[in-house]
Amino acid sequence: QSALSQPASVSGSPGQSITISCTAATSDVDDYTFVSWHQQRPGEAPKLIIYDVFKRPQGVSNRFSGSKSANTASLTISGLQPEDEAEYHCSSYTGRNTWVFGGGTILTVL
Amino acid sequence: QGQLVQSGAEVKKPGASVRVSCKTSGYTFTDYYIYWVRQAPGQGLEWMGWINPRSGATKYAQKFQGWVTMTSDASINTAYMELMRPTSDDTAIYYCARDACRCHSFNVWGQGTMVTVSS
Repeated sequence: QSALSQPASVSGSPGQSITISCTAATSDVDDYTFVSWHQQRPGEAPKLIIYDVFKRPQGVSNRFSGSKSANTASLTISGLQPEDEAEYHCSSYTGRNTWVFGGGTILTVL
Repeated sequence: QGQLVQSGAEVKKPGASVRVSCKTSGYTFTDYYIYWVRQAPGQGLEWMGWINPRSGATKYAQKFQGWVTMTSDASINTAYMELMRPTSDDTAIYYCARDACRCHSFNVWGQGTMVTVSS
């Protein structure tokens, strides 16, 4: 069982907004400051889309946004597009010189 | 941001150790940690550990302590991850990655190496 819990799947229609949550087990994560999100399409390596909770790497669409409240981080994708269909992974620095990933969430664009 | 190129797919029998390499280019090898992450079929990502190529220091996720070894060779800008005594549960894609943007995360990834453990 992962220290970060994500829903197994979410879905939405083109143009809609969806949100994926990522909840930390406080016993396993001392420092939930550095939360990031990766997008992974089938057969590809993960791609960083959000880091430090809400920052976007250069070149990542502003349709992707991140936030956090207490021990739950969230990834919101607005204006859903067919190419957003992928698996999304949250991760966090634990504060113990280690990192941890969530179980991943499969996004289906209907 | 440089590039990470991993070795090819491996098929091993249970108990036979397997080593995956990660050859880097386009940046100063000793300036950035190399991280290892794996993904079993149909599963999420699993963080395994890191190596500091400058000092050789390592840190492993508790689950991998004692049977995973991470090393590096600065003369050829290459990092390695070795699994000792693998079982079928270790069948997965293994990725190396680095934090090129100082993002407290992993923004440059290798292409992945499929390791199959089967009798």
